[in-house]
Amino acid sequence: QVQLVESGGGLVKPGGSLRLSCAASGFTFSDYYMSWIRQTPGKGLEWLSYISSSRTSINYADSVKGRFTISRDNAKNSLSLQMNSLRAEDTAIYYCARMGRLQRSIFYWGQGTLVTVSS
Amino acid sequence: QSALTQPASVSGSPGQSITISCTGTSSDVGGYNYVSWYQQHPGKAPKLMVYDVSTRPSGVSNRFSGSKSGNTASLTISGLQAEDEADYYCSSYTTSTTLVFGTGTKVTVL
Repeated sequence: QVQLVESGGGLVKPGGSLRLSCAASGFTFSDYYMSWIRQTPGKGLEWLSYISSSRTSINYADSVKGRFTISRDNAKNSLSLQMNSLRAEDTAIYYCARMGRLQRSIFYWGQGTLVTVSS
Repeated sequence: QSALTQPASVSGSPGQSITISCTGTSSDVGGYNYVSWYQQHPGKAPKLMVYDVSTRPSGVSNRFSGSKSGNTASLTISGLQAEDEADYYCSSYTTSTTLVFGTGTKVTVL
């Protein structure tokens, strides 16, 4: 079965950086687009970024463009999100997610990792 | 990219049918047949219920059905059950080759 396990969340000061990781298993990781999505506590979902299987297609939401960088290591079945210049409004649960062979939908979600940006 | 518009809450009695709407624009919902619906129980990760407007993943009950007309997509839950009480979100692919989510709808089973 598909498993996505996020790690790396925690408390960080405004302006700081954090790197999230996602360990994937139960499917051929190198075949699928992967994505990061966040959810503010008590609020809705916000798509952040996706990366294609071959890393040739990457896109970001305007809210994180220039501050966040998505990457993947197909040999290690892992997905990462480097987050720089963090702001209070980046406080959220961050989900790693598997898309389809195209970037049209989210098929599987991890359990999420909480990022808190506060002084 | 603005969030897709969903009603904040929808309720129904057990056995009834309810419909949740998801309104976007011609740049997202209306432009593609790539609307998905997700169910989220409190404290849990979302779960895909419908994709490509009306396709159910394996294992999802056929009580859940999706449709689209113009810039508005809909999720209908038939034979409402207590376990259907959750938050529901739609999403759509967009002309910017991004994804956009809906504002979310809380479904209450009376």
